[in-house]
Amino acid sequence: GAGVSQSPSNKVTEKGKDVELRCDPISGHTALYWYRQRLGQGLEFLIYFQGNSAPDKSGLPSDRFSAERTGESVSTLTIQRTQQEDSAVYLCASSLAQGSPLHFGNGTRLTVT
Amino acid sequence: GESVGLHLPTLSVQEGDNSIINCAYSNSASDYFIWYKQESGKGPQFIIDIRSNMDKRQGQRVTVLLNKTVKHLSLQIAATQPGDSAVYFCAENRGGGFKTIFGAGTRLFVKA
Repeated sequence: GAGVSQSPSNKVTEKGKDVELRCDPISGHTALYWYRQRLGQGLEFLIYFQGNSAPDKSGLPSDRFSAERTGESVSTLTIQRTQQEDSAVYLCASSLAQGSPLHFGNGTRLTVT
Repeated sequence: GESVGLHLPTLSVQEGDNSIINCAYSNSASDYFIWYKQESGKGPQFIIDIRSNMDKRQGQRVTVLLNKTVKHLSLQIAATQPGDSAVYFCAENRGGGFKTIFGAGTRLFVKA
């Protein structure tokens, strides 16, 4: 079946521009996560959504970062006024329920020039 | 950002040998632990998980051990193959909720 889909796979943008990254989770998965992975490093938690509960935004690094999710489907991560330190791979994952593994997309590689 | 710690950043093993990748976690309230494998250019892929009411779980060629006393997790890969070369992450799920925190990762090199 279809896995988690992210678009675009690569994005190059100029410093100061806004970018929007998209994630399509696996159908029926109630939880959706965003992580950031800098080159050669681990996964940094950004935000998760679960059903109709308020999202856990505790990992968002600044107010330039925001995310939305429509019901239990598509999510978008928006970065405003991008900075060079925002360059990273942004990974989206979804999971079926509490205490179940995350299923990841292949990420969006963001490069800020 | 939040992360779970690791003892070794890189590990090099001979093909056919067993590999052991270690991980330390900090939150004693964590009750679900997962190992992921990440190949270049791809997202992490689930390998095996374990809940805090267990101390060992086996899969196909992989075993996860959990020591809650010292908050330590390990992944054992039997008869390591070139296809096992990747970065391995441990992750913890805190307090039965959804928030999942990842460690820094260990890069495994398998020498033919």
